[in-house]
Formats: sequence, structure tokens, C-alpha cells
Amino acid sequence: AQSVTQLDSHVSVSEGTPVLLRCNYSSSYSPSLFWYVQHPNKGLQLLLKYTSAATLVKGINGFEAEFKKSETSFHLTKPSAHMSDAAEYFCVVSVNFNKFYFGSGTKLNVKP
Amino acid sequence: SAVISQKPSRDICQRGTSLTIQCQVDSQVTMMFWYRQQPGQSLTLIATANQGSEATYESGFVIDKFPISRPNLTFSTLTVSNMSPEDSSIYLCSVRTVDTTGELFFGEGSRLTVL
Repeated sequence: AQSVTQLDSHVSVSEGTPVLLRCNYSSSYSPSLFWYVQHPNKGLQLLLKYTSAATLVKGINGFEAEFKKSETSFHLTKPSAHMSDAAEYFCVVSVNFNKFYFGSGTKLNVKP
Repeated sequence: SAVISQKPSRDICQRGTSLTIQCQVDSQVTMMFWYRQQPGQSLTLIATANQGSEATYESGFVIDKFPISRPNLTFSTLTVSNMSPEDSSIYLCSVRTVDTTGELFFGEGSRLTVL
């Protein structure tokens, strides 16, 4: 069975400081992992994905994530937060791309 | 990539009525899904829309309540039947396309409020 745990429901950072959004997964097979962002009243946009290639994955808008099999983690980071990063972020796991399991989401607040 | 158009984008409905949501994609897709996002919650998969056959529903969702059609590769509908206030949610259409490496693309969603 597959599942995703996002460890923080809310994260608040100041503009210009680093962002860390934590995600742990459980999977019986080699997973593919994704991070999506949802801005208010918008659909979901793919930030980045891991599909068994390089373990450090770079995405859009300066975000990156590292797949750590030993820790079953796929944490999302960004060196310097921008006000426009305020949104909800979802970690997603999939096996064979037939079903996708969403974490509960992390709301990122960026303070000026 | 894929551009997904959902209609309506939002609606206010009366208890006991039904509403059909349409999803149109601009490119060939391999799979189409319908998700529900209740207020303040994450996404929950309702069903996989199968072309030309009955949809595959997840546990807790039934065809009588959420009938789904997919007459061709790029179009699907989801009906929310006999609505109650508990059905107030955002309903999202999602697809996988033939030319990508597995990720899902999402429409902007249909926000339903049931009074």
C-alpha cells in the first residue's frame, strides 16, 4: 500500500529565508514522487517530480527536493522564499502512474 | 502538457438537485480522473474515467451518486446526484497525457456550493 504523510499542516517563513516542507512516504514498490502547488482558487500545478532518475530534483520557481530512500522522505526546499510562494503544497506518491495518493497538504505563509 | 477546461467553474445548487461537470482536454490522454477536495482538505480520488466503459470507483464512492461518462479520449463528465450540503466541494478533473512521464495535469476545478 502507498501513503504520504506531510508532517506540517502550516509553515510560516519570512520573505528571503529558506523554505522546508516535509514529506514522508510509504510504498511497497519503487515510487514516483511529486510536489504540487495550489494557489487560492486555482487548480494544482506540478512543481517537480522524481521518477527513479537523479535523487536531487530541481523544479520550477527555484524549488528542489531530494529523494532519500533510507529515510523514505521527499522534502521540498527553496533557498529564499518569495511572497508569491504563499500557497498550499501537496506531496504525492504513485506506483506505475495508475493511482496517485495525496498528502494532507502544507499551507505555506510568507511574511514580509 | 495539457490544458484542461472544466465547466462550470462554480455553481450554487439546491439540495436534492443534480449537476453535471464537464472536462475537456486539448491533447490525447491516457487516463482521466475525478477528484474531490472538500473545504480545507486534501484531494480524494472519486473514480477513474474509462473510455467507453464504466468508471472505476474508489471505496466510498458509488455510481448512483457520481455517474461518470467518458465518450472519447479527451472528454468526460461527472454528475453529482441528489446533492446535499455535504457535497459542497471543489471537483477536479485530472489527466495523464501520452507524451509525459507520468505526472497529472489538473483543471482549475468546479466549486460547488449546495444550499
